[in-house]
Amino acid sequence: AQTVTQSQPEMSVQEAETVTLSCTYDTSESDYYLFWYKQPPSRQMILVIRQEAYKQQNATENRFSVNFQKAAKSFSLKISDSQLGDAAMYFCAYRSFGSGNTGKLIFGQGTTLQVKP
Amino acid sequence: NAGVTQTPKFQVLKTGQSMTLQCAQDMNHEYMSWYRQDPGMGLRLIHYSVGAGITDQGEVPNGYNVSRSTTEDFPLRLLSAAPSQTSVYFCASRGRGWKQGTQYFGPGTRLTVL
Repeated sequence: AQTVTQSQPEMSVQEAETVTLSCTYDTSESDYYLFWYKQPPSRQMILVIRQEAYKQQNATENRFSVNFQKAAKSFSLKISDSQLGDAAMYFCAYRSFGSGNTGKLIFGQGTTLQVKP
Repeated sequence: NAGVTQTPKFQVLKTGQSMTLQCAQDMNHEYMSWYRQDPGMGLRLIHYSVGAGITDQGEVPNGYNVSRSTTEDFPLRLLSAAPSQTSVYFCASRGRGWKQGTQYFGPGTRLTVL
């Protein structure tokens, strides 16, 4: 069974600085997706970024980028130029890819990010 | 598109009561899921559906029922509410195929069982 681990329950960053959130996962599959979701106090789950395992290039979305290390099973999220609106809980998630898969997402425990003005 | 919608946003039940959490999506997505989120934990899968008329159990299905009579709707029923079901519930959907890998979540329902 696949597992996702976020070892940092809480992180803080100064506004305009850069912060990296860690995520490791365990799987025997070769094809899968990895996601970072943001959950602000409103509780809405917002997709931040996604990575397909077959792609070697790290995904980037504006100020958000990932460091995907497939062999190490590591998927960290880097937030550049942090803004007050980035304060939220961040979840790393895994999804299998392949015929018949149900799309089940496996979530890590979450990391609460505080942004200090 | 409204995306994924959920009702109600908040609900308080007494132990033993039953209720239905509603979920609808207007993106013609085949896959729909229900998750629950408890403090200090990520989301856990309750039930899921891969299309109208097809449902299956997820990680924590006990005490919940689902049905999928249409592509758009995927209600979650609590048969006899228990305090252990106090949680935030999220409905999610995604399209078919590997290009449709992203799940879209509804705004959540906060349920308290007294």
